[in-house]
Amino acid sequence: ETGVTQTPRHLVMGMTNKKSLKCEQHLGHNAMYWYKQSAKKPLELMFVYSLEERVENNSVPSRFSPECPNSSHLFLHLHTLQPEDSALYLCASSPGDGDYYGYTFGSGTRLTVV
Amino acid sequence: GDSVTQMEGPVTLSEEAFLTINCTYTATGYPSLFWYVQYPGEGLQLLLKATKADDKGSNKGFEATYRKETTSFHLEKGSVQVSDSAVYFCALIHSGGGADGLTFGKGTHLIIQP
Repeated sequence: ETGVTQTPRHLVMGMTNKKSLKCEQHLGHNAMYWYKQSAKKPLELMFVYSLEERVENNSVPSRFSPECPNSSHLFLHLHTLQPEDSALYLCASSPGDGDYYGYTFGSGTRLTVV
Repeated sequence: GDSVTQMEGPVTLSEEAFLTINCTYTATGYPSLFWYVQYPGEGLQLLLKATKADDKGSNKGFEATYRKETTSFHLEKGSVQVSDSAVYFCALIHSGGGADGLTFGKGTHLIIQP
């Protein structure tokens, strides 16, 4: 248990489905992040939330929609995804000075789009 | 922009061998540097960090030294174990963190044989 919990662990969805990924942390951290991990590619930062406000989205397609209702929870809403969106989606959190302490990651959601 | 380069592997070693995984970076200023480890089916765990030049991070027998002159942060361990088999990621972040988040290398797959 890392302190950051992601659900579900595995998700298979069709291209016309709508689903959501959930991330929860009770570490008292102020910032939360979504990363995408694909084979043979570096981890890609998708979204950053600091104190519940979105800071950056890094030009992510609109079929990915984040939501941060409070500092402990982060969602990633998915709709009309493509097969190339299949990947491991990792959530992370950090204190306000994440540059010193680094990030705490969850175990990820393995997404397969069929 | 910032980037991190590391050997991708797989790197295969025998138990008790000496390990070096090279990591070099390109960044402005003085970023903080990290090594993360990912075991099969899990998220990333912080292994060690260094926040300024000549700092040495260490944990679980692993160590890495922040070399500003060569922009490197090579990971070393004197005697590896089978349980060290995992994917290792080198990463950097700028002071203040913020919108940039952690920048990762592609990861190095390490396999330790008994």
